[in-house]
Amino acid sequence: EIVLTQSPATLSLSPGERATLSCRASQSVSSYLAWYQHKPGQAPRLLIYDASNRATDIPARFSGSGSGTDFTLTISSLEPEDFAVYYCQQRNNWPPTFGQGTRLEIK
Amino acid sequence: QEQLQESGPGLVKPSETLSLTCTVSGGSINNYYWSWFRQPPGKGLEWIGYISDSGSTNYNPSLKSRVTTSVDTSKNQFSLKLSSVTAADTAVYYCARGLRGYRYGPFDHWGQGTLVTVSS
Repeated sequence: EIVLTQSPATLSLSPGERATLSCRASQSVSSYLAWYQHKPGQAPRLLIYDASNRATDIPARFSGSGSGTDFTLTISSLEPEDFAVYYCQQRNNWPPTFGQGTRLEIK
Repeated sequence: QEQLQESGPGLVKPSETLSLTCTVSGGSINNYYWSWFRQPPGKGLEWIGYISDSGSTNYNPSLKSRVTTSVDTSKNQFSLKLSSVTAADTAVYYCARGLRGYRYGPFDHWGQGTLVTVSS
């Protein structure tokens, strides 16, 4: 089973700042990595799939990069609604697995 | 806009069977793979397994011996049963759809989740 390690566990930033979240896989997942945003009591929201493709209706401030074992989610300029928990997920190896999440909080 | 909604008992006794249903509205259950997930308190997300509209299934090996899923296309619903539950099965359970017919993600539509507590 592939282990995804996300860092940092918590990221404290202010609106308008740039956020960089990392996801590292225990072995290569090619480009088959997705990112999700999750707010308490809400459905998780797909942001990025296949490492760099924005999902439908996702703002351009969200971007993804990477391949193999190292991936990055970047939020170019934080909006108040962006503060949430972010998860990465791989589908290259069975079973699909998720990282433990990065909590993005308001500084 | 397609929506998913989980439903079922919020409290299950140890050794009994957890049963949940996911109702899909605003779209068809056909031609997609539908997955179940769970998130224990303070822990990460775990994929439980999927079922297709035709009834093909695949489960996480960690839960395979206790999981059963079914689909009712006439009602646009699919269901999860997890047998012999213990306190370790206490979690928020989610249902979701695989994007464009992908089996293992990405998952583009999710329910809001339902908390299931295992306790006597």
